[in-house]
Amino acid sequence: DVKVTQSSRYLVKRTGEKVFLECVQDMDHENMFWYRQDPGLGLRLIYFSYDVKMKEKGDIPEGYSVSREKKERFSLILESASTNQTSMYLCASSFQRVGGELFFGEGSRLTVL
Amino acid sequence: AQSVTQLGSHVSVSEGALVLLRCNYSSSVPPYLFWYVQYPNQGLQLLLKYTTGATLVKGINGFEAEFKKSETSFHLTKPSAHMSDAAEYFCAVRSSGGGADGLTFGKGTHLIIQP
Repeated sequence: DVKVTQSSRYLVKRTGEKVFLECVQDMDHENMFWYRQDPGLGLRLIYFSYDVKMKEKGDIPEGYSVSREKKERFSLILESASTNQTSMYLCASSFQRVGGELFFGEGSRLTVL
Repeated sequence: AQSVTQLGSHVSVSEGALVLLRCNYSSSVPPYLFWYVQYPNQGLQLLLKYTTGATLVKGINGFEAEFKKSETSFHLTKPSAHMSDAAEYFCAVRSSGGGADGLTFGKGTHLIIQP
């Protein structure tokens, strides 16, 4: 069974803190993604990666960075968390670069106070 | 550029009634189309997908969707709603062109099942 694991389901952080959201997939997928989900806005792509050490900006990269040191792990980093980054963050992976479905983790709900 | 429009942020149906969730897309190249379901506090689960071939696609839990190129639509249906179908549903498109960009999602439709 495919598995995308997000290490933290719920986090509470203070404004200005550095936040790491970790994601691991066990399917040997090359492509990994970070989305942000907000009510009424759906899912918006933050960053994606199609290979180790490669990254591409999505639609809303401002305030975020990512790291992909190993094929199975894709981390989302908030250098200095702000209250408008309170959201649900979803990690996903896919085998195909073109056309294939994405497999999602359970999500990480981040609250920034 | 591609985009997805889901008509109706909330849809309410009675248990046993037909479920119809509407999705229209725009894409400059032939699209791959998906429907995902999300239960509270969970990730997204794939319901069904259209890539090529038959335009009527069957998915899990009795759902199906029909790709209509002329109408740029990919509406999701289920003949008889069940209480367990209450969830958030997302339509998504992925370009068949080059690049590894992910899915573009609609804003979601919250399906409410009335007893």
